Amino acid sequence: DTAVSQTPKYLVTQMGNDKSIKCEQNLGHDTMYWYKQDSKKFLKIMFSYNNKELIINETVPNRFSPKSPDKAHLNLHINSLELGDSAVYFCASSQVTGIMNTEAFFGQGTRLTVV
Amino acid sequence: DQQVKQNSPSLSVQEGRISILNCDYTNSMFDYFLWYKKYPAEGPTFLISISSIKDKNEDGRFTVFLNKSAKHLSLHIVPSQPGDSAVYFCAAADYNQGGKLIFGQGTELSVKP
Repeated sequence: DTAVSQTPKYLVTQMGNDKSIKCEQNLGHDTMYWYKQDSKKFLKIMFSYNNKELIINETVPNRFSPKSPDKAHLNLHINSLELGDSAVYFCASSQVTGIMNTEAFFGQGTRLTVV
Repeated sequence: DQQVKQNSPSLSVQEGRISILNCDYTNSMFDYFLWYKKYPAEGPTFLISISSIKDKNEDGRFTVFLNKSAKHLSLHIVPSQPGDSAVYFCAAADYNQGGKLIFGQGTELSVKP
């Protein structure tokens, strides 16, 4: 009964393709995130959605488009994939109440390899 | 500009001894700090956190210390166990930034039997 689940776990695709990564959380949290871990192992936030509204967009190329159909889901769609997009992408969720936030729970990650 | 830094990429400790992982930050607006543990091919798992109004938080074998004047925090694990071998990430957050976490680059802990 995974709290934050993302699919697929591995994704190998050719340059120029369009792909999506799905994420779902069953924790009842109001905020979901996408983080990227690059080849140097840095974990950096890409997007954050609170109750289906985009609240953080960290200067990510517009080839990346997050979509939140409801507050339990945050999918990541990537157009025209480039070699540099190869990384591990983590979905996460937390409860953000303004003055006191809970810790973020992470999914298992999606290793994207662009060839 | 790296706002959260873990200057030791790796640490090796003998089983039963204390592990001390360090983290420095530059942004004085951070008011919540967390440690995550990560095994290969898995997502980061929350370990322990501390609010900026405290200087210490303890949970079993894990204790986090915060020195706000030095902008430094540390994670103590005692006694260390082989199962603690993993990459540990320090993270910081500003409550006004919608839950966004800024991560350090991680420290790989190896606990040898």
